[in-house]
Order: sequence, then C-alpha cells, then structure tokens
Amino acid sequence: NAGVTQTPKFQVLKTGQSMTLQCAQDMNHNSMYWYRQDPGMGLRLIYYSASEGTTDKGEVPNGYNVSRLNKREFSLRLESAAPSQTSVYFCASTLGTGYYEQYFGPGTRLTVT
Amino acid sequence: GENVEQHPSTLSVQEGDSAVIKCTYSDSASNYFPWYKQELGKGPQLIIDIRSNVGEKKDQRIAVTLNKTAKHFSLHITETQPEDSAVYFCAASPNQAGTALIFGKGTTLSVSS
Repeated sequence: NAGVTQTPKFQVLKTGQSMTLQCAQDMNHNSMYWYRQDPGMGLRLIYYSASEGTTDKGEVPNGYNVSRLNKREFSLRLESAAPSQTSVYFCASTLGTGYYEQYFGPGTRLTVT
Repeated sequence: GENVEQHPSTLSVQEGDSAVIKCTYSDSASNYFPWYKQELGKGPQLIIDIRSNVGEKKDQRIAVTLNKTAKHFSLHITETQPEDSAVYFCAASPNQAGTALIFGKGTTLSVSS
C-alpha cells in the first residue's frame, strides 16, 4: 500500500512554461485535494474533487487547472507558470469530505524562475 | 467562509514540559477539528481529531479540547520529547457536503533537551 504518491518530487520551471503535477492514491478514497504550502501561510487549498467526476475551486485556484482522471488520480496543471507559484504542493485524499482523516503525499517542491 | 486562526506561530519548550497550541474558528457550523503534525520534508500526518459532540479527547501524551461556545480548540502535549519537534496545524471542517478542511497557519514547536 503506497498511500498517496506524487510526481515529480522537485521541479524548476522558467516563467511561462507549463507543467502537470501528478497525484495517485491506492486507498480507494473518494475525495482528493491539492494544497500549496508557503512559509507562514500554512496549507491553502487550490482545488478539490469530492468524488470522481467533480472538481471545485478552493481558496487559491487562479493560475491552476485540475483533472480527476479516475478515482485514483488527480492532476494539477500550471498552464503558464509565474514566480508567485513557487511553493511546495501537496496532494491529499480522504474516504469522503468532512469527517475523514486526510492522507497527504510527500509533496512536490516547485521553483519558478 | 470558515477562517481558522492559530497561535502561537512558534513555541520553544524544554524536554518534559507541556506545550499548548490554540486555534479559533469562525463558522459555528464547523463540527470536525483535526490536528496534523508535519516533520521536515514530509507531508502532514493526522495525530488527533475531535468532533463537536465531544469536549475533550486524549491519546497518550496528546489531548485536544473543544469549546464550541467560544469557538476555540486547543492541542495539549505533555512530557514533551525532542521528537515532538515539528510544525503542527489545526483545521476545521464546515458541516456541508463536498467541502474541505480549512487549516490554520501552523505552529513550529521546538523541544530542546
């Protein structure tokens, strides 16, 4: 049982480049989430998917898009990266929204120059 | 929407002392309050949680208390050890289907021996 996996672990982009962060879980969870973590800002929700086939904006969705490819996979895309998107990105999953423990992946450290 | 405030942002204690971290929330409909621990270079991990129908919950050296009237909840760690050094996050979950956790900004706990 790998839990929540994220690829890549590290990435450096130039301003304007695009990339997709991949996330997969093997716990048969229904809900998946993308957060960004910046110093002193805690964990801020970018997008989430309460169930397969649905996605919703979180607190900081601008500049990002998501795809819930299937029940296991939830990807985050940066279409035109900006230095303000330099951050650590975490994917998480839960059995369902609200009451359930969120399981986090190891994170992707992204630097945009 | 929900807003979660967490204090203090940093906390230094001696090994064996107790540590207390406090959080307040704004949405009176929130009814689930988890605490996460994040070690350096890793994703957050759930350490304890409490639901609104319970005032206190304890798990070995860790306890959480909830005051719904005042809309605040606290994490108590007794007999601290160096391995308790980490960043701790509180969170609250609004009682609506399809919504996600809202996190506080985190507390960096340092336990010196």
